[in-house]
Amino acid sequence: AQSVAQPEDQVNVAEGNPLTVKCTYSVSGNPYLFWYVQYPNRGLQFLLKYITGDNLVKGSYGFEAEFNKSQTSFHLKKPSALVSDSALYFCAVRDLGLTGGGNKLTFGTGTQLKVEL
Amino acid sequence: KAGVTQTPRYLIKTRGQQVTLSCSPISGHRSVSWYQQTPGQGLQFLFEYFSETQRNKGNFPGRFSGRQFSNSRSEMNVSTLELGDSALYLCASSSLAGGGDTQYFGPGTRLTVL
Repeated sequence: AQSVAQPEDQVNVAEGNPLTVKCTYSVSGNPYLFWYVQYPNRGLQFLLKYITGDNLVKGSYGFEAEFNKSQTSFHLKKPSALVSDSALYFCAVRDLGLTGGGNKLTFGTGTQLKVEL
Repeated sequence: KAGVTQTPRYLIKTRGQQVTLSCSPISGHRSVSWYQQTPGQGLQFLFEYFSETQRNKGNFPGRFSGRQFSNSRSEMNVSTLELGDSALYLCASSSLAGGGDTQYFGPGTRLTVL
């Protein structure tokens, strides 16, 4: 089964500093990886995805993610954090499951990002 | 384009009752997935429908069921509610149900079971 791990429950960063939210994956075959953000009492908002191609993926709101096959990682990054980036971030992988098809996502446990002034 | 809509947004039920949640996908999207989010278990996949057929099912008891209509709208039903069913239920839609297809989520339905 496919899985992702987010090793940090919380990440604190000062506004204006670069931020990194970590994600590692375990898949068989080529991974389809996603990042979502969740603000309080809201659904998940799509940030970016890696399907194939360039290892550096650019997404919404200035976020980017680096796919590293040798380290099986897909870390989310932003060069300069904003207070408004404070939210819960989820890494996800498409899970092929037994049928090898469908559109199921398996999520990590989430990382709470706190950006302080 | 309008996003994924879910109704109702909030729901309070008592143990033993049943509940039906509704999801309207983005126009043109044919795949609808449902997820349960709780503080203890995180985000867990319930099931996925594509063209009115269930394609995948998560590890939930048979009390959880769903269906999809010809206009791609989907409903999920939970019968004989238990306290542990209290959660945020999220619906997501995508256009092609392909591996790299992006799922777009609705705001969720917050279910509280008393």
